[in-house]
Amino acid sequence: DIQMTQSPASLSASLGETVTIECRASEDIYNGLAWYQQKPGKSPQLLIYNANSLHTGVPSRFSGSGSGTQYSLKINSLQSEDVASYFCQQYYNYTFGAGTKLELK
Amino acid sequence: EVQLVESGGGLVQPGRSMKLSCAASGFTFSNYGMAWVRQAPTKGLEWVATISYDGSSTYYRDSVKGRFTISRDNAKSTLYLQMNSLRSEDTATYYCTRERGILRIIDYWGQGVMVTVSS
Repeated sequence: DIQMTQSPASLSASLGETVTIECRASEDIYNGLAWYQQKPGKSPQLLIYNANSLHTGVPSRFSGSGSGTQYSLKINSLQSEDVASYFCQQYYNYTFGAGTKLELK
Repeated sequence: EVQLVESGGGLVQPGRSMKLSCAASGFTFSNYGMAWVRQAPTKGLEWVATISYDGSSTYYRDSVKGRFTISRDNAKSTLYLQMNSLRSEDTATYYCTRERGILRIIDYWGQGVMVTVSS
């Protein structure tokens, strides 16, 4: 099975800052990667699919990039409503990363 | 608006059974594959099972094969998960999700239903 290693596990940032979260796959996943946001007590919401495509209604401050085994999610100009956990997922055998908990500094 | 509403969770003893349901609305249910994804308390996400748009194909994670059955009723726009021989490690919030396209991207999630397996 393809393993996903996500980093960092937790992150503290200030309002307006740019934040980057990384995911590394154990083998090439050919851009078959999605990013989800999960706010406390809520269900996950799709942010990015196919590594770099923005899901409907997602603010443009979110972006995804990468290829092969290395992928990243970037949040520009951090807002208070971005406080959440973020998960990557490869959709070949549906493995999720362990998640990144983003808090405000 | 896509809506997925789960029901049927609760407390169950180890070894017993439970059936989850998911009522879908806001889209043509019979056009989409569907999946169940779970999340143990304070843990990450774990895919459980997938069913194709017409129910002809099903897929399961190894730890639930032979114990869980995913099914659907397209006439009722409802997804099911029959869980037998439940174990403590099955304790989690179970999410009903919609899959999009041939790559089966999960694009919408229900609010989740809690299943607690304990004596």
